[in-house]
Amino acid sequence: DAGITQSPRHKVTETGTPVTLRCHQTENHRYMYWYRQDPGHGLRLIHYSYGVKDTDKGEVSDGYSVSRSKTEDFLLTLESATSSQTSVYFCAISEWVDQETQYFGPGTRLLVL
Amino acid sequence: ELKVEQNPLFLSMQEGKNYTIYCNYSTTSDRLYWYRQDPGKSLESLFVLLSNGAVKQEGRLMASLDTKARLSTLHITAAVHDLSATYFCAVATTSGTYKYIFGTGTRLKVLA
Repeated sequence: DAGITQSPRHKVTETGTPVTLRCHQTENHRYMYWYRQDPGHGLRLIHYSYGVKDTDKGEVSDGYSVSRSKTEDFLLTLESATSSQTSVYFCAISEWVDQETQYFGPGTRLLVL
Repeated sequence: ELKVEQNPLFLSMQEGKNYTIYCNYSTTSDRLYWYRQDPGKSLESLFVLLSNGAVKQEGRLMASLDTKARLSTLHITAAVHDLSATYFCAVATTSGTYKYIFGTGTRLKVLA
């Protein structure tokens, strides 16, 4: 299994509070991704990174920011959590060479009350 | 904008039967991926399809890619209960940076 961990694994927070989710990899892969998974929507890309300090928006980036100061860590921050951000968040990594796929972390369940 | 559509969204089938899940996408891509997700779990990679006509098989699952039709299929042969899961296809965009767009998933339930 690819070495990807996410923390926390579960979190309950209140509307309006900031929340930071962490993704840590030990594979030295260049690309890292944050997705959210909601019923009926599959996985939707929030933000991704293609190197240290290099990030770009995905299809549902409003209300989220990211940072990548080291190859191994990719942080997702909800600036001011809202109930619509209640979801399961997955981190994934990829190296983008031939035959390469994405490897997913275990996920973080976030409940915003 | 790249869009990926899967059908059916839900599939209930009897053990021993065959069925096909379809994945259509809207723009040119020659990289398509299939993933499996068990309830409450993360996604695991099943197949990587990298060229037109590519076919991959693993056990009772076979995936194929037709880039001209912008269509991939995941064929299930003689289904067994252990195949019950949600299956996702994803298409890669390779213009500049690399990202994946996922379909909404097909929830498969195999009945004994």
